[in-house]
Amino acid sequence: QSALTQPPSASGSLGQSVTISCTGTSSDVGGYNYVSWYQQHPGKAPKLMIYEVSERPSGVPDRFSASKSGNTASLTVSGLQAEDEADYYCCSYAGSNIYVFGTGTKVTVL
Amino acid sequence: EVQLVESGGGLVQPGGSLRLSCKASGFTFTNHWMTWVRQAPGKGLEWVANIKQDGSEKYYVDSVKGRFIISRDNPKNSLYLQMNNLGAEDTAVYYCARRGFGSYEYWGQGTLVIVSS
Repeated sequence: QSALTQPPSASGSLGQSVTISCTGTSSDVGGYNYVSWYQQHPGKAPKLMIYEVSERPSGVPDRFSASKSGNTASLTVSGLQAEDEADYYCCSYAGSNIYVFGTGTKVTVL
Repeated sequence: EVQLVESGGGLVQPGGSLRLSCKASGFTFTNHWMTWVRQAPGKGLEWVANIKQDGSEKYYVDSVKGRFIISRDNPKNSLYLQMNNLGAEDTAVYYCARRGFGSYEYWGQGTLVIVSS
């Protein structure tokens, strides 16, 4: 039950793109297509942005996209906007009804 | 509208106990697995426990096994987390969340637990 590894920070200019990685193992990220991503603004509850590796819930802008290759999942935010500045967490199913979150990435919009 | 409202947080001494509640509304509670997730101050999210729709299956992160008990009262649309033998490492905001397609689609606002003497 080790946390998935994310870079502590990432940044991009307004209108540009930023990609965040989420590295796990074959027992979690690599073993299941249940990777999700969450956005969290300071003092707020997390918000689901992506589920099942690359699916967007209704209401989430298509600027948010995600994928997975092997044991690493990635979230890309295109056309960065000021409101995208937040912490982002990945989460993966790890078998036996256990889930594990990533270490979190703070995205800064320059 | 789906709503999850946590309560029961507060200041508790090391070794003490606390029971958190989460009142659900706006959806059929019995159709969903429910989960507790916590976040220590300035730290990341940590999955804590899951409970099946009928309460027959419960799963925990290793660090709380034997100390925390997740439960639910379906007629009351409520989720609970009984926390025993609390330590400083349990200080966190505790969120309840509704599980969807292998993800957590709805979250409460959280309730803060502080373990300190």
